[in-house]
Amino acid sequence: NAGVTQTPKFQVLKTGQSMTLQCAQDMNHNSMYWYRQDPGMGLRLIYYSASEGTTDKGEVPNGYNVSRLNKREFSLRLESAAPSQTSVYFCASWTSGRGSSYNEQFFGPGTRLTVL
Amino acid sequence: AQSVTQLDSQVPVFEEAPVELRCNYSSSVSVYLFWYVQYPNQGLQLLLKYLSGSTLVKGINGFEAEFNKSQTSFHLRKPSVHISDTAEYFCAVSRGSSNTGKLIFGQGTTLQVKP
Repeated sequence: NAGVTQTPKFQVLKTGQSMTLQCAQDMNHNSMYWYRQDPGMGLRLIYYSASEGTTDKGEVPNGYNVSRLNKREFSLRLESAAPSQTSVYFCASWTSGRGSSYNEQFFGPGTRLTVL
Repeated sequence: AQSVTQLDSQVPVFEEAPVELRCNYSSSVSVYLFWYVQYPNQGLQLLLKYLSGSTLVKGINGFEAEFNKSQTSFHLRKPSVHISDTAEYFCAVSRGSSNTGKLIFGQGTTLQVKP
C-alpha cells in the first residue's frame, strides 16, 4: 500500500495564478483532510471531507476550494494564489473502527508551495 | 471548543538524557489524544495514541505518554534520547467516538538532541 500520496512535491506560483493540489489514499478511508503548516502555528485545517460526497470548512478555508472526486481522491484548489498562501500543505485520511490502525490520521509527504 | 497547548516551543537536551514534552488540552467532552513526530522535510508519523483504557500509552521508538484526565494533560516522555530523535513533535486531540476524525493540533515542540 502506498498510503497517502500527494502531487506535486514542490510548486512555485506567481500571485494570481491558480493550481490544484492532488491527494489520493489507498486505505479505503472514509474521511480526508487538507492542512497547512506554517512555522510556530502547528497544522491548521483548511477543509475536510467526512465521507464521499461531503465537504466542510475547517479553521482557515478562505482562498481555497476542494473537491472529493471519489472515495480515494481529495483535491485542493487555489483559484488566485496570494503570497499569504505560501506554506506546506498536507493531506491526511482517517476511518473509524476497531484495531490498531483505526481512529488515527495518516498523512501524506506534503507539498511545499511558494507564491511570489 | 477544543484546544491544545504545547507548553514548550523548543526543548534542548543532551543525548542519553531523559526528556518530557508537555501537552495540555481543553475539552468539555471525552477525547482521543495523539502525539505525532515530523522529521525534517517529511510528513507526520504517529508516535502513539490514547483512545481508552490504560492511561499509560507506549508508542514507537521508546516513547510513552500518560493521560491525566484531572489535569487535562498528555505529556510525552522518553527515558534516554538519541540524536535521531531530533524532530518536531505535535500533540493533537479529537472528540472521543468522533464520526469525522477531525484533529486539533498544538503549535509543536522542537526537540533538539545534542551530542
